[in-house]
Amino acid sequence: AQRVTQPEKLLSVFKGAPVELKCNYSYSGSPELFWYVQYSRQRLQLLLRHISRESIKGFTADLNKGETSFHLKKPFAQEEDSAMYYCALNLVRAARQLTFGSGTQLTVLP
Amino acid sequence: NAGVTQTPKFRILKIGQSMTLQCTQDMNHNYMYWYRQDPGMGLKLIYYSVGAGITDKGEVPNGYNVSRSTTEDFPLRLELAAPSQTSVYFCASSRGGAGNTGELFFGEGSRLTVL
Repeated sequence: AQRVTQPEKLLSVFKGAPVELKCNYSYSGSPELFWYVQYSRQRLQLLLRHISRESIKGFTADLNKGETSFHLKKPFAQEEDSAMYYCALNLVRAARQLTFGSGTQLTVLP
Repeated sequence: NAGVTQTPKFRILKIGQSMTLQCTQDMNHNYMYWYRQDPGMGLKLIYYSVGAGITDKGEVPNGYNVSRSTTEDFPLRLELAAPSQTSVYFCASSRGGAGNTGELFFGEGSRLTVL
C-alpha cells in the first residue's frame, strides 16, 4: 500500500513565486513526517520535521491530519531551492523506519 | 568527521555474481539502514539494524543479506545478482535512544547495474 504520495514528479516555478510541494500520507496511527532534500551532487539530507514546527531556508510544512497531508511551502522561491524533495513517514518510531515518497524535482527558473 | 561512507560508488555485475556493498559511519550511531531507489520511485528499506548484532528485514529484503558485527559497519551482501537488483543503494544511520530526533544521515549512494 502506498503510504506516502507525492503527486508531482516535476514542478517548475519562477524565482520569487510561491511554491508548494504536495505530500499525502496514509497511516492509522499518529504520524511522524519529514521532508528530505537532495541538491545536485549532494547527499540526501533532512530539511525539516513536523514535530519541530520550524522554518528551514524559508520552507514550512504543516501537518493536516484531516486531509492527511504534509505539504511543503515557501512564499518566495529562490534558484538555489532547485533540488529533489522527498516526503517521508516514520512507520516504526522506535527503529525510525522511514518510508519515502517518490520525490518531486523542483526547478526554480530565473 | 566523514559521516556515512559507502563503497563502491559504481559497480557493474553479471547475473549470478556476488558482491558486498560496504557502509561505515563514524558518528557512533546505533541505527543503520540500507535503502534502494529505483528510477522514478521512492527509497525502499531493505534491511535495518538497531545495534551491533541486531538486524531485521525491511520492505524489500529478498536477495540480500546483512550483518552488523560492529557499531560502525553495516555491509549489504548480494549473493546471486539479478537484473531486478539494478538500482541505487543508500546506506543511512541515525542516533538511537533519548537523543533520537528521527534524522537519518545518508551516504552518497552506490549505483549498481546487473547485466
